[in-house]
Amino acid sequence: QVQLVESGGGVVHPGRSLRLSCAASGFSFRSYGMHWVRQAPGKGLEWVAIIWHDGINKYYADSVKGRFTISRDNSNGTVYLQMNSLRGDDTAVYYCARNVDGGSSSWFDPWGQGTPVTVSS
Amino acid sequence: DIQMTQSPSSLSASVGDRVTITCRASQNINTYLNWYQHKPGKAPKFLISAASRLQSGVPSRFSGSGSGTDFTLTISNLQPEDFATYYCQQSFSTPVFGPGTKVD
Repeated sequence: QVQLVESGGGVVHPGRSLRLSCAASGFSFRSYGMHWVRQAPGKGLEWVAIIWHDGINKYYADSVKGRFTISRDNSNGTVYLQMNSLRGDDTAVYYCARNVDGGSSSWFDPWGQGTPVTVSS
Repeated sequence: DIQMTQSPSSLSASVGDRVTITCRASQNINTYLNWYQHKPGKAPKFLISAASRLQSGVPSRFSGSGSGTDFTLTISNLQPEDFATYYCQQSFSTPVFGPGTKVD
């Protein structure tokens, strides 16, 4: 079945870096764009970044632009999120999700279980 | 940027109730509107695309409607497993989620 599994979360000091991974299985990974979405404690869902199926086009939320980098390896079905210059407001559960383009809309399906990131001194 | 709002932010309901959640976009998004269900500690679940298209496997008690700037998610005959937070999300431009509506 289609599955996404995130890893790489943890506790990190402000200003440091962390790289998240999302391993995909059960579908043709190289045919789909992939997203990262986060949820800070007590807050709602916030879209973070998308990478197109071919890895060429990438877009970011203003809150992470210049600090985070999304990438992918189509040979092993994995999408990454490199997070640099981390701040306290980056503390969140980070989810990866597949982008599905239905023509009349595009949506996130499925989602992984998430990996928690805590930025604290 | 397109902003999304939802009302109410939370609501109390009972099993068997009919629940309606409203989502509003700051500009016309046609029907580029999706709905998700999220339970604590779980992966968010995709429910509805294009404002009203029910995802395969989602119970028919869920329905969506609207176009332009105003949208609704309706849950008829609320079931115990439906207690969750619901988010709308516009796909007209860079993805933006609404702030969520908690159903408890």
